[in-house]
Amino acid sequence: DIQMTQSPSSVSASVGDRVTISCRASQGISSWLAWYQQKPGKAPNLLIYAASSLQSGVPSRFSGSGSGTDFTLTISSLQPEDFATYYCQQANSFPLTFGGGTRVEIK
Amino acid sequence: EVQLLESGGGLVQPGGSLRLSCAASGFTFSSSGMRWVRQAPGKGLEWVSAISGSGENTYHADSVKGRFTISRDNSKNALYLQMNSLRAEDTAIYYCVKTYCSGGGCYHGSWGQGTLVTVSS
Repeated sequence: DIQMTQSPSSVSASVGDRVTISCRASQGISSWLAWYQQKPGKAPNLLIYAASSLQSGVPSRFSGSGSGTDFTLTISSLQPEDFATYYCQQANSFPLTFGGGTRVEIK
Repeated sequence: EVQLLESGGGLVQPGGSLRLSCAASGFTFSSSGMRWVRQAPGKGLEWVSAISGSGENTYHADSVKGRFTISRDNSKNALYLQMNSLRAEDTAIYYCVKTYCSGGGCYHGSWGQGTLVTVSS
């Protein structure tokens, strides 16, 4: 199974800050990676797929990069509605696996 | 607009069974792969099961293999998860998910609001 490791597990940031979240796969997954946002009490929402493609309707302040084993989600200027938990997920092979999540909190 | 409405969750004793359903609308159901993803209270996301549009191909996580079965009825636009031999560690919110496929990859595209399954005596 492919293990997905996210870092940090939590980050405190202020509105307007640039936030970067990392995700590492235990083996190469090409660009078969997605990022999801989950707000408390809500279902997750697909933000980024294929490592760097922005899902329709997602603000352009979100971006993704990377390939192989190392990936990054960047929020260029944090907005109040961005405080949430973010998960990466590999789509290379079954079993599909998620990272442990990164909580973005208000500083 | 894609709509996914889960039902069938509830409280069940260890060793018991439960069948989850997901009513889908707003898209061509028979053309879309579907999945179940769960989230234990206060924990992260865990993929559970997947099924192809035709229903011919199914996949299950090792943690549920042999106990859970995913199926679908394309005539009813419905997805199911039959859960047997339930354990306390199966307690979670179960999400019905429509895949989003692009460039050869498929992702968890649209999510229902989830149904809570609690396994406890």
